[in-house]
Amino acid sequence: EDKVVQSPLSLVVHEGDTVTLNCSYEVTNFRSLLWYKQEKKAPTFLFMLTSSGIEKKSGRLSSILDKKELSSILNITATQTGDSAIYLCAGGGSGGGADGLTFGKGTHLIIQP
Amino acid sequence: EPEVTQTPSHQVTQMGQEVILRCVPISNHLYFYWYRQILGQKVEFLVSFYNNEISEKSEIFDDQFSVERPDGSNFTLKIRSTKLEDSAMYFCASSVYRGGYEQYFGPGTRLTVT
Repeated sequence: EDKVVQSPLSLVVHEGDTVTLNCSYEVTNFRSLLWYKQEKKAPTFLFMLTSSGIEKKSGRLSSILDKKELSSILNITATQTGDSAIYLCAGGGSGGGADGLTFGKGTHLIIQP
Repeated sequence: EPEVTQTPSHQVTQMGQEVILRCVPISNHLYFYWYRQILGQKVEFLVSFYNNEISEKSEIFDDQFSVERPDGSNFTLKIRSTKLEDSAMYFCASSVYRGGYEQYFGPGTRLTVT
């Protein structure tokens, strides 16, 4: 059974801090690792990673995949209160039986002013 | 920017009743999905849909569930006889390519079964 594990499950930091969120995965016929931000309702797409060692960056957010370690990290620098959300990691496969993404429980990030 | 839309945002129903949740996927996307998230739990895959038929379904997607694309824009999830444990947030998603590619999620329908 496919599995995605995120850590920590919750994190409280002060505005301006840098945070690192972790994700490990076991996904059959692995194709991609996706990060989403979930605020009030819908998961909003952040990154999709398919190749090891290549950092994807968007503003203060960046993410990298390590296929050897079956893991990924999401970094947020100079955090702002608007970064407060649940960050979801999901594994995606390819081929039959792999249409659905397998999600982790998420990291609940709280940024205090 | 195109987005997935869902209606209603909140639906309250009595146990045993049928409900239909509606979604309008992003217009050039070919693959459609339903997920659910029970309060405090993970987002779970229910079903995928392509070319007017179910592509894959999870163990959760039993005979009480069905999906349909009744016209060129809507994608629906029907729950035939709701149970208390069907109370959850139901998300529709769509993607250009199948499976492990970017899937874009709608805002969800919160279903409360009483």
